[in-house]
Amino acid sequence: EVQLVESGGDLVQPGGSLRLSCAASGFSFSHFWINWVRQAPGKGLEWVANIKGDGSEKYYVDSVKGRFTISRDNAKNSLYLQMNSLRVEDTAVYYCARGTNDAPGLDVWGPGTTVTVSS
Amino acid sequence: QTVVTQEPSLTVSPGGTVTLTCASSTGAVTTGNHPNWFQQKCGQAPRALIYGTNKKHSWTPARFSGSLLGGKGALTLSGVQPEDEADYYCLLHYDHVGGVFGGGTKLTVL
Repeated sequence: EVQLVESGGDLVQPGGSLRLSCAASGFSFSHFWINWVRQAPGKGLEWVANIKGDGSEKYYVDSVKGRFTISRDNAKNSLYLQMNSLRVEDTAVYYCARGTNDAPGLDVWGPGTTVTVSS
Repeated sequence: QTVVTQEPSLTVSPGGTVTLTCASSTGAVTTGNHPNWFQQKCGQAPRALIYGTNKKHSWTPARFSGSLLGGKGALTLSGVQPEDEADYYCLLHYDHVGGVFGGGTKLTVL
C-alpha cells in the first residue's frame, strides 16, 4: 500500500525553527517528486514546496523562500521540511503529497502534522 | 501574484449534475496548467480526483470528470451522491511559480 506519514509538528514561538519529516512506504520513493502542502485553520490549501526524485530540483512558494528548506533522503525513504524564522502565519496542518508521474499533479497524501506558531 | 479563483459555494440536488470551475488571473486555463482537482471532507486530508486536466486516478469514481470549459478548468459531477458533499480544490501549475491552489468550493448536496 502506498503510504505517506508526516511527523514533527509542534507548538513553537515566533522566530523559532522546526523540522518536519514525511516517511514513505509502498513505492519506489526515489522515482517521484514529493510536495509539501499546508492548510491554515479554517482556510484553503497552499502549495509550499516540492523536490525532484533525485533531489536535483527544488521549488518554493514565495512566502517561504529563504526560510524553509525541502530535502530528502532516498536511502531512508524520507522527506524533510526545515522551517526557520517561523511566523504566526505559518500555523497550519502540513501535508506531504506524492507527485504523479505522467503529468504534473499530486496523488497520494499523508494525514498531516500540525504546526502552531504562537507566543 | 498569481490567483486561482473558484466558486465559493454551490448547491446541487441528489442525482443532479454540477460543474465547478477554476479560473486563472493570468488568462485562460490550458492543458499546460495541468489542472488537478481534490476533494476534502471535514477533518480529513485531501483526496486526489483528477490530474492532467482529465486523467482519473484508479480510485476516482466514474461520476467525476475533468475538462476545460470557457477558458477555465472544470470538474463535473454527474449523478451526485450525498457523500459528495465536501470542499473541492483545484490546483494549477505555472512555469517558474510552481503550483497554485484555488480558494476552494464548498459543495452542498440538498
